[in-house]
Amino acid sequence: DQQVKQNSPSLSVQEGRISILNCDYTNSMFDYFLWYKKYPAEGPTFLISISSIKDKNEDGRFTVFLNKSAKHLSLHIVPSQPGDSAVYFCAASKIQGAQKLVFGQGTRLTINP
Amino acid sequence: ETGVTQTPRHLVMGMTNKKSLKCEQHLGHNAMYWYKQSAKKPLELMFVYSLEERVENNSVPSRFSPECPNSSHLFLHLHTLQPEDSALYLCASSQDRSGSSEKLFFGSGTQLSVL
Repeated sequence: DQQVKQNSPSLSVQEGRISILNCDYTNSMFDYFLWYKKYPAEGPTFLISISSIKDKNEDGRFTVFLNKSAKHLSLHIVPSQPGDSAVYFCAASKIQGAQKLVFGQGTRLTINP
Repeated sequence: ETGVTQTPRHLVMGMTNKKSLKCEQHLGHNAMYWYKQSAKKPLELMFVYSLEERVENNSVPSRFSPECPNSSHLFLHLHTLQPEDSALYLCASSQDRSGSSEKLFFGSGTQLSVL
């Protein structure tokens, strides 16, 4: 059973507009959530995280929102830039270190000029 | 550059071959990981080493054999693989502290094709 799901395999957004990537989880014990970004031929790189004591975390153009009651988190990118085109992975864990990170399938984001 | 280096970047092998993937981290981390990424599937955790001891083995077939000689190096030995083992194999490291959440740092991966 997949505990972290990204139901949109791909998303296409116009440059300058907002990109919203979604992620759902099933395990209510998860209390730490991360987004990773992956370019072709490279490994995933950490983008932004949020713990369950917060409902929002912002870092420049990137904001992650957490809705614990809905077991849903989203990543907002605004304004979207062509360099944001990549695969975005959502991941979740219980706060016990990185050993138990569970990843979603990824969403391929394409930013159109 | 993430501080985690994997070699080779690409590997093609037959089902009877024996090969090894290598990972080296220059971040001073105490935990290292092997993940498998197949097309359209989540990253699958294969093995975790913490302080050079294996702490996780996610029901991985014995044709995959990890080795962690020290905290900076991690190997994945491959033998008699199947075509369905073709995937991107990612190494990662983290500084694991009890009671805290630490993020993973990934290498660029080895794209493996089994013929």
